[in-house]
Amino acid sequence: QKEVEQDPGPLSVPEGAIVSLNCTYSNSAFQYFMWYRQYSRKGPELLMYTYSSGNKEDGRFTAQVDKSSKYISLFIRDSQPSDSATYLCAIRRSNDYKLSFGAGTTVTVRA
Amino acid sequence: AAGVIQSPRHLIKEKRETATLKCYPIPRHDTVYWYQQGPGQDPQFLISFYEKMQSDKGSIPDRFSAQQFSDYHSELNMSSLELGDSALYFCASSARGAGDIQYFGAGTRLSVL
Repeated sequence: QKEVEQDPGPLSVPEGAIVSLNCTYSNSAFQYFMWYRQYSRKGPELLMYTYSSGNKEDGRFTAQVDKSSKYISLFIRDSQPSDSATYLCAIRRSNDYKLSFGAGTTVTVRA
Repeated sequence: AAGVIQSPRHLIKEKRETATLKCYPIPRHDTVYWYQQGPGQDPQFLISFYEKMQSDKGSIPDRFSAQQFSDYHSELNMSSLELGDSALYFCASSARGAGDIQYFGAGTRLSVL
């Protein structure tokens, strides 16, 4: 069983819509949570990095962490065609630096 | 800003051949990670180095070895290549004392024929 589960989608939305992505994890030892964006045949690009429960906002992106439910989310507001990519959640433990990735959700924003 | 540099970007090898992948971390980053991403799959951790010493090991086959050199660049050596080794290989680097946020390179696409 994977340490972090992510709905692989795919997800198709019209331009301007809100994109909602989420992951669940099973072990409360995970303390660091990240969202990466990966364009086709490119390396993962860090979007958001959070440690504590709550919300973190960066421009059109909001990351949400609920440690009690072991649930993390990424919201993209006012989505643009350039947001079309695969979004990967990643988690790690405090003293274990390797990342465990979700399966990735492929998002297409239609113009 | 300087990013993680990986070379080569593409590599084609025959079965049973050997391949060497190189990774140049972001300047002043002391930790390097290697991940393997198969077609349609998420990246899987292979191995990591902190200050030139192996710090963690994941699902890396015994046919693979890696090291980090004095200038902090790293090389992943893959021998007796199999068809199943065809994948994207990513290197990431981080500064262990600065939150250990991992930044990824563009990857090396290895095709084993």
